[in-house]
Amino acid sequence: EAEVAQSPRYKITEKSQAVAFWCDPISGHATLYWYRQILGQGPELLVQFQDESVVDDSQLPKDRFSAERLKGVDSTLKIQPAELGDSAMYLCASSYRARDTEAFFGQGTRLTVV
Amino acid sequence: EDKVVQSPLSLVVHEGDTVTLNCSYEVTNFRSLLWYKQEKKAPTFLFMLTSSGIEKKSGRLSSILDKKELFSILNITATQTGDSAVYLCADRGGADGLTFGKGTHLIIQP
Repeated sequence: EAEVAQSPRYKITEKSQAVAFWCDPISGHATLYWYRQILGQGPELLVQFQDESVVDDSQLPKDRFSAERLKGVDSTLKIQPAELGDSAMYLCASSYRARDTEAFFGQGTRLTVV
Repeated sequence: EDKVVQSPLSLVVHEGDTVTLNCSYEVTNFRSLLWYKQEKKAPTFLFMLTSSGIEKKSGRLSSILDKKELFSILNITATQTGDSAVYLCADRGGADGLTFGKGTHLIIQP
């Protein structure tokens, strides 16, 4: 069964260091989302791609976060420099086309900033 | 700004009970409402609802949408301990992004 792949599964980093997460969506899925989930909260959208274009990055803290999907397939989310408050689960999801199709999530990357 | 409110935030019931989880939403240009189950990992997809009054069903789980009153419910009958999880509701609006509620933490006691 096709899955959204994410790596790494866990990451511990010191504050002020750079960290990067990778996501490979289900084959053929044009829409890709990055979400951040703090313990006890629902996921919050950071950035949404349609193919290689950013559709929505209004909630992405652009002073330290960046995201790219250069060839419209896999994607990288980067944080530089990491802060203690960035500790969270980072989830990637994809859907065939955003409208009227379900979105499937990867296993996530659990980030701990120390 | 889109808003999704789930209730209750937490619920403890006994195995075999029936539960109803609620989700109300405010969204610009509503397109669909989705339900997910989250155990100690990523959310797994349950249902997507686009039309009012049409029940979606999968085993002991069912869900329905009321677009006039802007809410959805998720029902679980004959609950089992394996149903213990956080249930998330999300709406999809004009920008096609998903806005999630805080979730309902459901605990099923044996």
